[in-house]
Amino acid sequence: QKEVEQNSGPLSVPEGAIASLNCTYSDRVSQSFFWYRQYSGKSPELIMSIYSNGDKEDGRFTAQLNKASQYVSLLIRDSQPSDSATYLCAVNTDKLIFGTGTRLQVFP
Amino acid sequence: DAGVTQSPTHLIKTRGQQVTLRCSPKSGHDTVSWYQQALGQGPQFIFQYYEEEERQRGNFPDRFSGHQFPNYSSELNVNALLLGDSALYLCASSFPAANGGYTFGSGTRLTVV
Repeated sequence: QKEVEQNSGPLSVPEGAIASLNCTYSDRVSQSFFWYRQYSGKSPELIMSIYSNGDKEDGRFTAQLNKASQYVSLLIRDSQPSDSATYLCAVNTDKLIFGTGTRLQVFP
Repeated sequence: DAGVTQSPTHLIKTRGQQVTLRCSPKSGHDTVSWYQQALGQGPQFIFQYYEEEERQRGNFPDRFSGHQFPNYSSELNVNALLLGDSALYLCASSFPAANGGYTFGSGTRLTVV
């Protein structure tokens, strides 16, 4: 079992819709969780961090964490074509471990 | 506030050669981690340096080695390059006590021919 698992996609949503990205992790001692956005050919950019169970909102982004289910998600409201990118879920135990990423496509 | 800087941005090497990649961490960060990202994959952890020591290591062969200097900058060395070493190499810096995310540099694109 991989340490951090994501559906590779692509996830295609129309402009203005909600995009829902999911991630599961295997190490129960993980304490901090992150979502990075990566445009093609660029480096990852941190967009959200979450440390405790529940929801955390920042603008159009909402991260959700359920430690009992070992599940992290990212919701993007009012999706824009500029949100089209690969979204990487990362889990920090004593090092930052990434999933393979989910490619999101937002079409006009 | 300078972010993480990596050099060079692009590099082409021949199979069997050796390469050195460089990284300067974000101001205030003392920990440097290196990642390899193959096309279509997530970043794979290579190793992490703190206080000039290798603190963590991922599942990479000994051909991959590194160093951290007193000013917290770091180098990644890869010996006996293979075609499969072609990838984007990412450096990330962090401050461990903050339990925060890592800040990434723009990466070095290595092509082995």
